[in-house]
Amino acid sequence: GQQVMQIPQYQHVQEGEDFTTYCNSSTTLSNIQWYKQRPGGHPVFLIQLVKSGEVKKQKRLTFQFGEAKKNSSLHITATQTTDVGTYFCAGTGYGGSQGNLIFGKGTKLSVKP
Amino acid sequence: DTEVTQTPKHLVMGMTNKKSLKCEQHMGHRAMYWYKQKAKKPPELMFVYSYEKLSINESVPSRFSPECPNSSLLNLHLHALQPEDSALYLCASSQVKVSNTEAFFGQGTRLTVV
Repeated sequence: GQQVMQIPQYQHVQEGEDFTTYCNSSTTLSNIQWYKQRPGGHPVFLIQLVKSGEVKKQKRLTFQFGEAKKNSSLHITATQTTDVGTYFCAGTGYGGSQGNLIFGKGTKLSVKP
Repeated sequence: DTEVTQTPKHLVMGMTNKKSLKCEQHMGHRAMYWYKQKAKKPPELMFVYSYEKLSINESVPSRFSPECPNSSLLNLHLHALQPEDSALYLCASSQVKVSNTEAFFGQGTRLTVV
């Protein structure tokens, strides 16, 4: 079945350093979404990427979707303590049913002030 | 209103109890979901309702019984659960589209089975 791998599992950074998390799918994805879950919280939607090679930016966050639509990345520039949380990618394969999002295992980011 | 409201926030139940989790949204979303999340793990899809009809059941044991009484409400009925069913149960909703759209998650019900 379809799998979405995400690395690293954990990332500890000093405030001000950059952070990147990577997702790889075993199959071509129709789209990929990114979510952030704060400790003790629930997943919050960040962005959806649909097009091959797409790049989207939200302030210090940059999201990329690979040309083959099998990989994606989230890069945070100059991390802040408010960036702490677990970042999940979630993909849907072609022919997938409504809502059949496959979540990666997540990358837990901690930021040392 | 962009909220998905789940009740209760916390629930402790015995293995012989029957309880229900409730979820409500008023965003006009016609797709609603139940996810289960264990500690330090990603959300796992359990059920999807599309236009109030069950469209996905990810091989969930029958001790979990979903119900969608109308387009705003989603319930999860629990009966004869096991301690390993203890987890955070998340409800989510979204528009129904050919390509997936943003899912709005509720704050979850933290369930402990004793």
